Amino acid sequence: GGIITQTPKFLIGQEGQKLTLKCQQNFNHDTMYWYRQDSGKGLRLIYYSITENDLQKGDLSEGYDASREKKSSFSLTVTSAQKNEMAVFLCASSIHIQDTQYFGPGTRLLVL
Amino acid sequence: QQKVQQSPESLSVPEGGMASLNCTSSDRNFQYFWWYRQHSGEGPKALMSIFSDGDKKEGRFTAHLNKASLHVSLHIRDSQPSDSALYFCAASSNNNAGAKLTFGGGTRLTVRP
Repeated sequence: GGIITQTPKFLIGQEGQKLTLKCQQNFNHDTMYWYRQDSGKGLRLIYYSITENDLQKGDLSEGYDASREKKSSFSLTVTSAQKNEMAVFLCASSIHIQDTQYFGPGTRLLVL
Repeated sequence: QQKVQQSPESLSVPEGGMASLNCTSSDRNFQYFWWYRQHSGEGPKALMSIFSDGDKKEGRFTAHLNKASLHVSLHIRDSQPSDSALYFCAASSNNNAGAKLTFGGGTRLTVRP
């Protein structure tokens, strides 16, 4: 088995601030993902990385940057936080892109 | 229009009852389907995958896929209060451009004790 760790668990930011979320996995999976989930709704893909040093835009990449520093870690940056923004950011990994995804517990973002 | 649509949005069943969740795709390229479950405050967890037409059973959970109608369903028999959660259908295609998962909007299941 393995585990996905997301830090921080809670993130409170100010409007216009740049915020970074981190994700680590010890599954030794090739592919990692960042999703956004609004208020108990569906997941929207922000960025994904098929392998180390790869970066692919998802459907919701505008306003975000991502970085796959090494195989086990994938970071997401909110480039300019929007006032009253509230969402959960979920990190996931899979062996390859068409395999079952394993999710972390999420980072809850609130922008004041 | 969302490429993966789920119904109903919410569902309430009594403990011990049968829960039936539906998912329809509008993209004929989608060939592979998953069901994920998310309990409050946690990340989603994969319940089961189904890639071939017909039924796939895992314990109390049965998935059914009909590729011709692009419809997949999940049936939970003998529902338990611990089954109360948000359920997502997810789909992907077999080409590189569509290989990533597309999630539906979810069905919230409540099992009444």
